[in-house]
Amino acid sequence: AQSVTQPDIHITVSEGASLELRCNYSYGATPYLFWYVQSPGQGLQLLLKYFSGDTLVQGIKGFEAEFKRSQSSFNLRKPSVHWSDAAEYFCALTDSWGKLQFGAGTQVVVTP
Amino acid sequence: ETGVTQSPTHLIKTRGQQVTLRCSSQSGHNTVSWYQQALGQGPQFIFQYYREEENGRGNFPPRFSGLQFPNYSSELNVNALELDDSALYLCASSAAGNTEAFFGQGTRLTVV
Repeated sequence: AQSVTQPDIHITVSEGASLELRCNYSYGATPYLFWYVQSPGQGLQLLLKYFSGDTLVQGIKGFEAEFKRSQSSFNLRKPSVHWSDAAEYFCALTDSWGKLQFGAGTQVVVTP
Repeated sequence: ETGVTQSPTHLIKTRGQQVTLRCSSQSGHNTVSWYQQALGQGPQFIFQYYREEENGRGNFPPRFSGLQFPNYSSELNVNALELDDSALYLCASSAAGNTEAFFGQGTRLTVV
């Protein structure tokens, strides 16, 4: 059975510090993987996606993620966090028809 | 190019009532998926519609039903509302065979 696990429910980071959000997946083949961000009361915005090829993918807002097949991971990183990055972040995988399966999310709090 | 729009943005219903939520897909997209996001959780896949036919369903009871219209807009209907149906309902549209989905802002349903 496929699944997505985000081990960290809540992360607090200082503005300007680096950020890494963890995502582990279980899937029978190479999955399509995504990271979405959700601000309070808002829908989901796609940050980046991995389909195949280069395992380091670049996204919007300065985010990047690295696909590691051996570790079944797809961790999200940002070198320097801005106050506007405070939000909830969801890792997701999908089959070819775009039926997304999400992790439980990681809440990111940015302190001055 | 218009994005995904959902209506209404908020509504309150009484237990046992029925509700209809609406979604207009992004221009050029013929696939619509619905998700339920309970407070503090990741979105859960309800079902997907492609060319007016249901194309996959998550673990939701039959009182959750849907429609897709010739213009690819969609409705989610929930009968016999229960308190646990209180959630943010998200609609996402995509092009057929394309795994990238674009989300609306959601409808916040409160059942009292």
